[in-house]
Order: sequence, then structure tokens, then C-alpha cells
Amino acid sequence: SAVISQKPSRDICQRGTSLTIQCQVDSQVTMMFWYRQQPGQSLTLIATANQGSEATYESGFVIDKFPISRPNLTFSTLTVSNMSPEDSSIYLCSVLWLLDTQYFGPGTRLTVL
Amino acid sequence: AQKITQTQPGMFVQEKEAVTLDCTYDTSDPSYGLFWYKQPSSGEMIFLIYQGSYDQQNATEGRYSLNFQKARKSANLVISASQLGDSAMYFCAMTMEYGNKLVFGAGTILRVKS
Repeated sequence: SAVISQKPSRDICQRGTSLTIQCQVDSQVTMMFWYRQQPGQSLTLIATANQGSEATYESGFVIDKFPISRPNLTFSTLTVSNMSPEDSSIYLCSVLWLLDTQYFGPGTRLTVL
Repeated sequence: AQKITQTQPGMFVQEKEAVTLDCTYDTSDPSYGLFWYKQPSSGEMIFLIYQGSYDQQNATEGRYSLNFQKARKSANLVISASQLGDSAMYFCAMTMEYGNKLVFGAGTILRVKS
């Protein structure tokens, strides 16, 4: 399976600021994804990070709020922009492995004050 | 649209006993994959088991097995010989075969009692 790391593991941020979360995989993968898990809720897909092209966003998520980069096949970043307390969540990246299984990173716990 | 339903918000099981976590799904796609993930209090999502819609046999991974009943659109997770470390949130999820989007259920909190 793929080994996935995320930075930072947790952060506390002030309202109106932005945070960039990094996701690193130990192998080249074609598809990477970003999910959000709000407190006490299930996971929701934010977007698919496409290498060499713009990310594909799910309904309710926009590029201005959650810009995503995917410069190569092992790395992606998610930025949470102009944060509000409602953005307090766990943000997880995942990768599609061997065409059928998604493995997740350890997640980033974000608290916005 | 695809949908996953987990009707058990919480479950208790005695250590060393088996437990079944329920999951039903709805999709019109003939090709899909079903997953179970474990999320301990640390927040990480741990992959447990996968079942493809065309797989003839139920998937098994150690103490985990997936009871796949295609006609009933159910994909229940069976954990045998429960351990204290099994206490966690468990999510059922599905995606199209070779697809990308994972749709998750609401989750079931499992507590193992000693």
C-alpha cells in the first residue's frame, strides 16, 4: 500500500487567514483526493487533484476557497483561504492505489478561532 | 446518485465476541466498489476491506469479513474475536469500479467492553 504523510498534523488559525496543507506520497499515483470531515460528521469529497491540470471540485466547493495544486505524481497541496470558524475540520488527502482502493493520509486537524 | 446508509449510530460488543456493522447502499451503476474504513480517535482513516461488485466471494482480511448480499444491496462488516483496540468509528463507503469519488455513510461508533 502507499504511505502518505500530511503537514501540518494540526493547527490553530485566526479568522481571515489562510492555511496550506501538504500531502506527500511515497509512490507515484495518478489520482489524489482531498476530503473534509467536519466535527461529528462523515467525510465529504472536496476535489480531485489532477496532475498537470486544474482540480475537479465537487458541488459546494470552489477554487477560490480551496485552491489545490498538484505539481507532480507524489505531491499535492490544499489551501483553505479566508478561514472562518466553520472551516474547523479534519482535512484528509487520499490516493487511488492499484485502481481500486483509496488510502488516506493521517489528516490535518484545523481549528479556526 | 449513490448513497450509503449506516443505521447503527453506536454499537457495543463484549471482548472476544463477534459483531456485525450494517451497511446498505444504493446505486444504478452495475460496476462499483464497497469499502470499510476504521477511524480511531486520532482521526486517521484506516482501510480495512474492499469488495468489488463483480466479486463472487465475500472479501476477508484477517478478523474482518464483508458479508456482501448484492440483491439486497447490503455490505455488512463482520469483526470476529473483538479486541479493545477495535473501539473506533467505522465508515462504509462506495465508489464506481476504477472510479474516483468515494461516498461515505454516516458511520457507526463501536465500543468493545472488557
